[in-house]
Amino acid sequence: DIQMTQSPSSLSASVGDRVTITCRASQSISTFLNWYQQKPGQPPKLLIYSASTLQSGVPSRFSGSGSGTDFTLIISSLQSEDVATYYCQQSYTTPWTFGQGAKVEIK
Amino acid sequence: EVQVVESGGDLVPPGGSLRLSCVGSGFTVNSTYMNWVRQAPGKGLEWVAVIFPGGSTYYADSVKGRFSISRDNSKNMVHLQMKSLRAEDTAVYYCARDPRLGWLQFFDYWGQGALVTVSS
Repeated sequence: DIQMTQSPSSLSASVGDRVTITCRASQSISTFLNWYQQKPGQPPKLLIYSASTLQSGVPSRFSGSGSGTDFTLIISSLQSEDVATYYCQQSYTTPWTFGQGAKVEIK
Repeated sequence: EVQVVESGGDLVPPGGSLRLSCVGSGFTVNSTYMNWVRQAPGKGLEWVAVIFPGGSTYYADSVKGRFSISRDNSKNMVHLQMKSLRAEDTAVYYCARDPRLGWLQFFDYWGQGALVTVSS
């Protein structure tokens, strides 16, 4: 199975800060990488698919990049409503696997 | 509007069985890839099973041989039959749609989840 490792596991930042979350795959997955946001008590929400394509309705402050084994999710200007846990997921091959999550809080 | 809604979550003793259901609206479940993804309390996400439009099914190793995913086209529903349940199967089970754009796989619509608790 492909292992997905996210860093950091948690972070605290101020409103307006640029936030970067990284995701590393245990083998090359081209750009078959998705990002999800999960707020407490809610199901995950798709943010980005195919490493860099923003899902319809997602604010443009979210962006994704990367290919191969290393990927990045950037929140360009953190807002209070972005408090959540963010998960990457590889879609290269079954079993689809997720990273362990990165919890984002407001400082 | 596309929606998926799960039902059937319950408290079950170890070794017991349970069937979860997921009804889709705003789309037809037999024309897309329908999945179950679970989340143990305080933990991350784990993909469990998928059923393809053609009916093929695939499972995570952790549930293979114990869980079975199926579809009822007449009711636009997907089911997850779970047998020989273990404490480690305790989780919120999400039904999630994969629209499969070309080669691109992702989960674009998720239900609110069904809680399965395995305990005596």
